[in-house]
Amino acid sequence: QKEVEQNSGPLSVPEGAIASLNCTYSDRGSQSFFWYRQYSGKSPELIMSIYSNGDKEDGRFTAQLNKASQYVSLLIRDSQPSDSATYLCAVNVNRDDKIIFGKGTRLHILP
Amino acid sequence: ETGVTQSPTHLIKTRGQQVTLRCSSQSGHNTVSWYQQALGQGPQFIFQYYREEENGRGNFPPRFSGLQFPNYSSELNVNALELDDSALYLCASSFDTSTKEQFFGPGTRLTVL
Repeated sequence: QKEVEQNSGPLSVPEGAIASLNCTYSDRGSQSFFWYRQYSGKSPELIMSIYSNGDKEDGRFTAQLNKASQYVSLLIRDSQPSDSATYLCAVNVNRDDKIIFGKGTRLHILP
Repeated sequence: ETGVTQSPTHLIKTRGQQVTLRCSSQSGHNTVSWYQQALGQGPQFIFQYYREEENGRGNFPPRFSGLQFPNYSSELNVNALELDDSALYLCASSFDTSTKEQFFGPGTRLTVL
């Protein structure tokens, strides 16, 4: 079983709508969870980190964590064309400092 | 505050050669992690250095080696290059190992012919 799984997409969302990105992970001991945004040809940019169950909001972004279901998600409200990118879910594997990335979900915001 | 920098930006090598990639961590950061990102894939963890010591390693062969200097900058060395080593190599720095937040440099695009 892959450690961090994401739907590769592409996920197409109309401008102004809510984009919902999902991620599941296999290690129940994981403690730290991250969402990175990566534009084509660029390096990943950290946009959200979450450590406890529930929601964490930062501007138009909301991260949601459910450790019992081993599920983490990212909501983007009022989606803009500039949000079109690949979104990478990353999880810290508790036994060491290694961070495991999913393959990423390509998001396309339709103008 | 200076962000993470990497050099060179691009590099072309042939099979069997050796390569050294360099990374300068963000000001105040003492931990550097290296990742390999193949096209269409997420970054794969190679290893991490914390205060000049290796602090975790992914599933990469010993021909991938690293170093961290007293100023926390780091090098990634790859010996006996193979075609499959062609990828974007990313360096990420962090300070607070409890939160694990890592910030990436722009990457080095390595092409092995």
